[in-house]
Amino acid sequence: DGGITQSPKYLFRKEGQNVTLSCEQNLNHDAMYWYRQDPGQGLRLIYYSQIVNDFQKGDIAEGYSVSREKKESFPLTVTSAQKNPTAFYLCASSLRDAKGSEAFFGQGTRLTVV
Amino acid sequence: GEDVEQSLFLSVREGDSSVINCTYTDSSSTYLYWYKQEPGAGLQLLTYIFSNMDMKQDQRLTVLLNKKDKHLSLRIADTQTGDSAIYFCAGGGNQGGKLIFGQGTELSVKP
Repeated sequence: DGGITQSPKYLFRKEGQNVTLSCEQNLNHDAMYWYRQDPGQGLRLIYYSQIVNDFQKGDIAEGYSVSREKKESFPLTVTSAQKNPTAFYLCASSLRDAKGSEAFFGQGTRLTVV
Repeated sequence: GEDVEQSLFLSVREGDSSVINCTYTDSSSTYLYWYKQEPGAGLQLLTYIFSNMDMKQDQRLTVLLNKKDKHLSLRIADTQTGDSAIYFCAGGGNQGGKLIFGQGTELSVKP
């Protein structure tokens, strides 16, 4: 089945640690996105990539980093510089320039700082 | 930048119609979307409307767009308990996944 897979579903991080969230898609989409969801605040864009080896900052990129070495994969690293990382993280993919193109979302990773 | 506002909660009885409202500040969004999120899950696209349309109907779903008032609504006819979820409106341009989301409206359907 085609889709977008995030792992792990739950992740715990100690203070000062970097952690990496995985996102893989087999939809042959060029574009991939990372969003952060906090209660009552909707989703906010962290980073996005429209093509391999290229990515742009979203609205809340500070304390995060990404890479796009393969079309299928767009991992997100939450660094120790992110002061409030506890949140639900959602990865999405879409066709790059298609008008009205549907974005497909993964099932999310819930990150908790312990 | 764009701001998208939704009311946070809506409670209806099973079989009634639900109307979820959304207002936005920036008219540059080419497309306006409605996504559904069930507990602990990702988002599922319900429907979208192009900014030059006024209405779109898709089975139990009706989307109304009032460009003058910058108001978008989603009507769910014959609401069922399985419709209980958080509903997000979002605006976007020509990049499918680069979206500005509202805060989400939690719909509770009581039997």
